[in-house]
Amino acid sequence: AQRVTQPEKLLSVFKGAPVELKCNYSYSGSPELFWYVQYSRQRLQLLLRHISRESIKGFTADLNKGETSFHLKKPFAQEEDSAMYYCALSYNNAGNMLTFGGGTRLMVKP
Amino acid sequence: DTAVSQTPKYLVTQMGNDKSIKCEQNLGHDTMYWYKQDSKKFLKIMFSYNNKELIINETVPNRFSPKSPDKAHLNLHINSLELGDSAVYFCASSQPTGTGELFFGEGSRLTVL
Repeated sequence: AQRVTQPEKLLSVFKGAPVELKCNYSYSGSPELFWYVQYSRQRLQLLLRHISRESIKGFTADLNKGETSFHLKKPFAQEEDSAMYYCALSYNNAGNMLTFGGGTRLMVKP
Repeated sequence: DTAVSQTPKYLVTQMGNDKSIKCEQNLGHDTMYWYKQDSKKFLKIMFSYNNKELIINETVPNRFSPKSPDKAHLNLHINSLELGDSAVYFCASSQPTGTGELFFGEGSRLTVL
């Protein structure tokens, strides 16, 4: 069975500091991974997907199959990045059945 | 112009009662889901429907029964509520193939006393 692990429940950094939210997965197939974000009083929404290799709001994530990781990084955190971040793995060919990690709350202090 | 809407947003009820949460999406998606978020913020899929047909039914008690009258609606009915059912329930929708992008509702916080 697939599993997504986010080892940190809470990550607190100062504005301008680098951020790395960790995500590890276990899956026997070819993984498709995503990061979702939930800002305060807003809906859970897609932030980025590994297949797009994109940078969204300054965030990037690289799939490392050797380490089975998909860590989310940003070189300079902003206060508006404070939110709950979920790593997710798609486990069906259609790419729409997701297993989520337990989430990491990012707090960016001024 | 809300994409995925759930009602009610808050629900407080006694153990043993039966309650329903409604979900509607106006995105024209074929697939809808119910997720449960527990007190530790873990988000777990409960059900998935594709064009009104049940696709996924994870290990959820029989007291939970989803109903999809049409592909734009997926309601969740819970019988004989228990304390452990207290959680935030999220509805979501997506196209059945491709991007992995799910569109979530705002969640319905259920508290069982």
